[in-house]
Amino acid sequence: DAGVIQSPRHEVTEMGQEVTLRCKPISGHNSLFWYRQTMMRGLELLIYFNNNVPIDDSGMPEDRFSAKMPNASFSTLKIQPSEPRDSAVYFCASRGRQGHSGNTIYFGEGSWLTVV
Amino acid sequence: EDQVTQSPEALRLQEGESSSLNCSYTVSGLRGLFWYRQDPGKGPEFLFTLYSAGEEKEKERLKATLTKKESFLHITAPKPEDSATYLCAVREEGDDKIIFGKGTRLHILP
Repeated sequence: DAGVIQSPRHEVTEMGQEVTLRCKPISGHNSLFWYRQTMMRGLELLIYFNNNVPIDDSGMPEDRFSAKMPNASFSTLKIQPSEPRDSAVYFCASRGRQGHSGNTIYFGEGSWLTVV
Repeated sequence: EDQVTQSPEALRLQEGESSSLNCSYTVSGLRGLFWYRQDPGKGPEFLFTLYSAGEEKEKERLKATLTKKESFLHITAPKPEDSATYLCAVREEGDDKIIFGKGTRLHILP
């Protein structure tokens, strides 16, 4: 079975440029999460969706960050304009429907972003 | 205040030297406590979910236990391939969010 698929795996961009990160969740999963990981702050939840609807975006650091989920198979996280402090690893994760087996989230391999 | 606190931040052990990692949490009602393993350059890999105090789960050299305030990940006779960062996370009753601790970096020396 295909897991969570993220792209790009690595991106280096200049300050001020727009960055778009993409995620394909596991087929059949109805919840999708975007996390950011840094050495200092660990894994921080940015936003999550249930059934393609954004439920909680309180972790999004600034208005420069936005996320969409136009359908059950695809989500994007966009940073515009990007800044050096946005450099981090961005993870997408998905979760199946409710019940014990639907409690676990599964991660992609991450998108490593460097803003210079 | 952090909802999930892991200790120690880093741990170096000799191969075969058993030890435990700690995860303490402060949510009022626990829907689930999760352990993940993360290798460098990879995404977190699911290990265990625990739901209620007294529950235990095992996988190879790893055993996770849960009380009302904390969880332990016991590592018995570890091998160098057990070296990784171990992450603990919780889901609070009535909430969809899963909140992670900062992890414990484990290094097993051959």
